[in-house]
Amino acid sequence: QSALTQPASVSGSPGQSITISCTGTSSDVGGYEFVSWYQQHPGKAPKLMIYDVTNRPSGVSNRFSGSKSGNTASLTISRLQAEDEADYYCTSYTSSSTLVVFGGGTKLTVL
Amino acid sequence: EVELVETGGGLIQPGGSLRLSCVVSGFIVSSNYMTWVRQAPGKGLQWVSFMYSGGATYYADSVKGRFTISRDNSKNTLYLQMNSLRVEDTAVYYCVRRATTAWHFDYWGQGTLVTVAS
Repeated sequence: QSALTQPASVSGSPGQSITISCTGTSSDVGGYEFVSWYQQHPGKAPKLMIYDVTNRPSGVSNRFSGSKSGNTASLTISRLQAEDEADYYCTSYTSSSTLVVFGGGTKLTVL
Repeated sequence: EVELVETGGGLIQPGGSLRLSCVVSGFIVSSNYMTWVRQAPGKGLQWVSFMYSGGATYYADSVKGRFTISRDNSKNTLYLQMNSLRVEDTAVYYCVRRATTAWHFDYWGQGTLVTVAS
């Protein structure tokens, strides 16, 4: 069981927007601005998409955005494209001895 | 250009040992926070070990006492020595740079598969 809770799957049609949630506690997501999101295509390494809740690394499309409210962080992908179909993972710093916690991952299907 | 290349994975019997290597180009390993992250087949991500630029090391409880992270500054290479391997250690192991003074992982290797089975 992962420390951060993500939906197992989400889906959307090309051009639509989807949001993936990531729920933790006040010891991780809610207590710090250290939430990041990763995209992973099958057989590939994860790729950083969002860091520090809302920041996009250079080269990542502005269709990807992050936010946080209380103990839940969210990744929104707008104007869905076929290439967005992948697994998405959230992570957060935690004040526990675990240091970093991951979500269980969400499979995005573009219909 | 930044590149992290892991080697050393393979099939090993329970109780055995393996050493993973991660050769880095594009930045200096000893000046950065380095991490090993693993992913069991069909499962999510799990951090295994951190090494800070100052040399401090941290381990997940599941590997503490069995795994050792280290680096060779002259070779700009990160290592993970894995002893007393268990079936549940089976995973793809990624060498990853953690952003300094932050908690996100910005550069990842392609991963190396470790299979622990009899």
